[in-house]
Amino acid sequence: DAKTTQPPSMDCAEGRAANLPCNHSTISGNEYVYWYRQIHSQGPQYIIHGLKNNETNEMASLIITEDRKSSTLILPHATLRDTAVYYCIVRNTGTASKLTFGTGTRLQVTL
Amino acid sequence: GAGVSQSPSNKVTEKGKDVELRCDPISGHTALYWYRQSLGQGLEFLIYFQGNSAPDKSGLPSDRFSAERTGGSVSTLTIQRTQQEDSAVYLCASSLTPFSNQPQHFGDGTRLSIL
Repeated sequence: DAKTTQPPSMDCAEGRAANLPCNHSTISGNEYVYWYRQIHSQGPQYIIHGLKNNETNEMASLIITEDRKSSTLILPHATLRDTAVYYCIVRNTGTASKLTFGTGTRLQVTL
Repeated sequence: GAGVSQSPSNKVTEKGKDVELRCDPISGHTALYWYRQSLGQGLEFLIYFQGNSAPDKSGLPSDRFSAERTGGSVSTLTIQRTQQEDSAVYLCASSLTPFSNQPQHFGDGTRLSIL
């Protein structure tokens, strides 16, 4: 699976959009981009995933560049409860595959 | 709720004892995964089940670790002769199918402390 690079930490004001970047320049055509987050003392929570197209659900939007070498997770209106470590993961399609978590981005939402 | 359930939530035991950790996956999910997260470290894959079979056991750290799944549902992870380095949060995840277009959904884990 391709490796990902994320900034170690970011801050965001409550009510503003949080834009979390992820670089996956070695991604191959058959790898999905997944985002999870982990709030202290809880298990990782699935947020969203995509292959080529941008995706949106009730939690977030995922923007994948046309060359698929990077992506951005957007939380449109961050709240204090969104404070967590966010993980960007690429995962091979078609075969049963484990998730390989990196160090993620620690997002701190402030008043 | 219909999420992944793990028990116990916390377990403290003495070095050398055996422990069993339980995972109840989301109903209907055929794939089940075990991971562990040590203090200050990332998640480490342990083993994956499809139905009752374990096609990938590559992450089990030693032969003291074993896991089984029965009835295509509940799974238990057993650690024999526990060591202090086994202290970690053990996380279970399940997905509808094992294929990577299906997200894995995690429980809140069992926090294992070896004295």
